[in-house]
Amino acid sequence: GAGVSQSPSNKVTEKGKDVELRCDPISGHTALYWYRQRLGQGLEFLIYFQGNSAPDKSGLPSDRFSAERTGESVSTLTIQRTQQEDSAVYLCASSPHVNADTQYFGPGTRLTVL
Amino acid sequence: SQQGEEDPQALSIQEGENATMNCSYKTSINNLQWYRQNSGRGLVHLILIRSNEREKHSGRLRVTLDTSKKSSSLLITASRAADTASYFCATDEGGSRLTFGEGTQLTVNP
Repeated sequence: GAGVSQSPSNKVTEKGKDVELRCDPISGHTALYWYRQRLGQGLEFLIYFQGNSAPDKSGLPSDRFSAERTGESVSTLTIQRTQQEDSAVYLCASSPHVNADTQYFGPGTRLTVL
Repeated sequence: SQQGEEDPQALSIQEGENATMNCSYKTSINNLQWYRQNSGRGLVHLILIRSNEREKHSGRLRVTLDTSKKSSSLLITASRAADTASYFCATDEGGSRLTFGEGTQLTVNP
């Protein structure tokens, strides 16, 4: 079956604009995760969803970042008033449930804020 | 902040040689996982070792875990040019998130 998909694959925006990043998890996976990866660095956890609920939002770097999930499926990560330091690859992953051993990653969205 | 720290940050070897990467972490864990990333995009799960295991094999991969030293190593034997990638360790502390290290960039020269 299909893996995790993300769109767009690349996004270039101007400082101050809002952006929306989309993640389509593997069908039937109830857990969904967002990570950020700055150039040359490891992944930073942002937020996870169990179903449509986000029990842990502690990784969101500021109140400019928000995420939602609907229908226990697609998730959208929104960054408002983008800043240059938001430039990174945003990776989404899903797993059958929150305590599953393995997370399955999408290809990521490369965000560049000019 | 990242819990895991990998070393070396970069490793360059010849095809056929073995590659060893190390990972250290700070807190108690349920398991430790290794992922591979090509060209800075999606990650692929390689292998998982649980906290009560000391060694695990999968094909050309061998992972060890020393919980007393809070460290793990990933050995890739008989490396191939196609193994060129970044390798990350990630720890599961029993919550919902994985905590990733900074990664080791492996280059295998033909």
